Amino acid sequence: ETGVTQSPTHLIKTRGQQVTLRCSSQSGHNTVSWYQQALGQGPQFIFQYYREEENGRGNFPPRFSGLQFPNYSSELNVNALELDDSALYLCASSLTVQRGIYGYTFGSGTRLTVV
Amino acid sequence: GNSVTQMEGPVTLSEEAFLTINCTYTATGYPSLFWYVQYPGEGLQLLLKATKADDKGSNKGFEATYRKETTSFHLEKGSVQVSDSAVYFCEGTGNQFYFGTGTSLTVIP
Repeated sequence: ETGVTQSPTHLIKTRGQQVTLRCSSQSGHNTVSWYQQALGQGPQFIFQYYREEENGRGNFPPRFSGLQFPNYSSELNVNALELDDSALYLCASSLTVQRGIYGYTFGSGTRLTVV
Repeated sequence: GNSVTQMEGPVTLSEEAFLTINCTYTATGYPSLFWYVQYPGEGLQLLLKATKADDKGSNKGFEATYRKETTSFHLEKGSVQVSDSAVYFCEGTGNQFYFGTGTSLTVIP
């Protein structure tokens, strides 16, 4: 059984640019959540996707958007990048009905640096 | 709103010492509670969980008991090893998803 894979692992972008991060969920998982983890902080919930629709959102502006595809993989898009967007972006998948029982499977993350 | 509060670190212990990392939650209802561990340069790994009051989660020598009366889910290990050095996160899952800020643990030989 494969885990959660994220790409790319590292990325450097310039302020004002746009970025797309990708995530392949664990086999059998139908729900994907995205988190932003600043250095030395805990993960902050961005949003969750279930059946290709946003199913919950944290306190992030609209320039953070996402997609989920029929195969349950997902993208996180960030427009008009700001320096404070520099962080580790984590993707986590779960089987929705069992999320509260089994928790999430996390990817290793994408380290985004905005200069 | 819902939240999780973790004991602040960093924590430094000698090998074979006893470990406690405190976690308390604030939530409407009764969330499922989890502990995750993050090793340097890696994503989070589920360490243990409890889904209802008085449940005890355990894994790799770590334990945590879901205590409704104190709204706590403290992580304990009787004898830590150097390989336990990592950052530990407490998380609550209900209608929302919320992590604590993490507690860094360093175990020295």
